[in-house]
Order: sequence, then C-alpha cells, then structure tokens
Amino acid sequence: NFMLTQPHSVSESPGKTVTISCTGSSGSIATNYVQWYQQRPGSAPTTVIYEDNQRPSGVPDRFSGSIDSSSNSASLTISGLKTEDEADYYCQSHDNSNWVFGGGTKLTVL
Amino acid sequence: EVQLVESGGGLVQPGGSLRLSCAASGFTFSTYWMHWVRQAPGKGLVWVSRINSDGSSTSYADSVKGRFTISRDNAKNTLYLQMNSLRAEDTAVYYCARARITGATWVYWGQGTLVTVSS
Repeated sequence: NFMLTQPHSVSESPGKTVTISCTGSSGSIATNYVQWYQQRPGSAPTTVIYEDNQRPSGVPDRFSGSIDSSSNSASLTISGLKTEDEADYYCQSHDNSNWVFGGGTKLTVL
Repeated sequence: EVQLVESGGGLVQPGGSLRLSCAASGFTFSTYWMHWVRQAPGKGLVWVSRINSDGSSTSYADSVKGRFTISRDNAKNTLYLQMNSLRAEDTAVYYCARARITGATWVYWGQGTLVTVSS
C-alpha cells in the first residue's frame, strides 16, 4: 500500500521560512496530485495547497507547494512565518481512487 | 458558499450502530465525489470511505470494510455513513469532505461530528 511520510514536528521563528516534506513510499509521487491541509487546534482541516502547487482563494502567497521527483517527495513551504501559522499540516495523495494521508507535521512558530 | 454540516454523532456502546449525515449546500452536490475522513483523539487524519457522484461506486478502508456503508441522496444533497458493529477504536471525529475536480476546485471539509464508542 502507498504511504506518505512526514516529519513529526518542525519549529521556526516568526518571519522565517519553513519547509515540510512528504515522502512517498513507492512509485512516483508525481503520478497523483498532492494536497496540503492545515488544521489548527480544535478546528477542521482546510486546504492550503491543492494539485501540488495551487493555492485556494484566500490562502496567502506565503504558502507554496512543490514536487521533487528525484526524492519522490512533495514539500510545503511557508515563508514570512506568522504565529497564526502554528498548526498541524497534512499531505494527501491517492492510491487508486482512495485518499492517503501523511501522518501530519506539527509546526511550532516560536 | 460551500457548506458541509455533519450530524448524527454521539455516544454508542461497543457493537452498536450509528448513522452519520452530511448536509451539503452552496454547490451542485450531484457533481462531486464525497469522502469520509476520521481523526481519533490526538491522532492524525485517516481516510474512511468515498462514493462517486451518482452513488454507483464506493470504496472503504480495510479497517471499516464490511461494517460501514457510505451512501448519498442527491435529491436531498446529503451524504451518509452507516456504521455498524462499532468498536472502541472507531472513536473519532468524523469529517465529510467534498473531493476536488482537477483543474477547477479544491477539497472542502465539514466541521466534523464526534463518535464515541464506549460502555
């Protein structure tokens, strides 16, 4: 079964840039689109990146996504960190028509 | 505005049943595939099930196969999840989510409903 692996946690200071990785277990991560979801404590997830690198309306351009086929991984980069960015972030792709999630990364902005 | 509102969660004993509903509005419900995703307390997101736009095709995670049934009523703009033979490990917040359409839209999430399986 296809799996996605994320670091358990990352931390960075306000104003800095952080990158969260999401590595595919097999095949090519580029075969299916990757989405990224933000989940603040006590809230439902929301989409911050879809189809590898697209931002929904209302998501600031500080959020960006990319794919690196050489490492079979996707990345979420957040620049100009704000304290409001502190949240859990999940990558998601597909295995056939079923969704697959990474284990989530807790971002601390300190 | 896209809205997804889950309901039907609550406390149920092991072995019991529960039916979750997800009322959709703000978009053409019959056009979209829909998913259920759950999150156990303090844990990550786990995909549970999905259904295609007309309800003719469904799929389930191995952990719920044979116990859960996803369905939809496009006339009522509502998604369902029938959960039978519930176990303690099914305790979670259950979210419904609207799938994206490639090149057009992204995933929308409901606010979730809590299911607690306990005696």
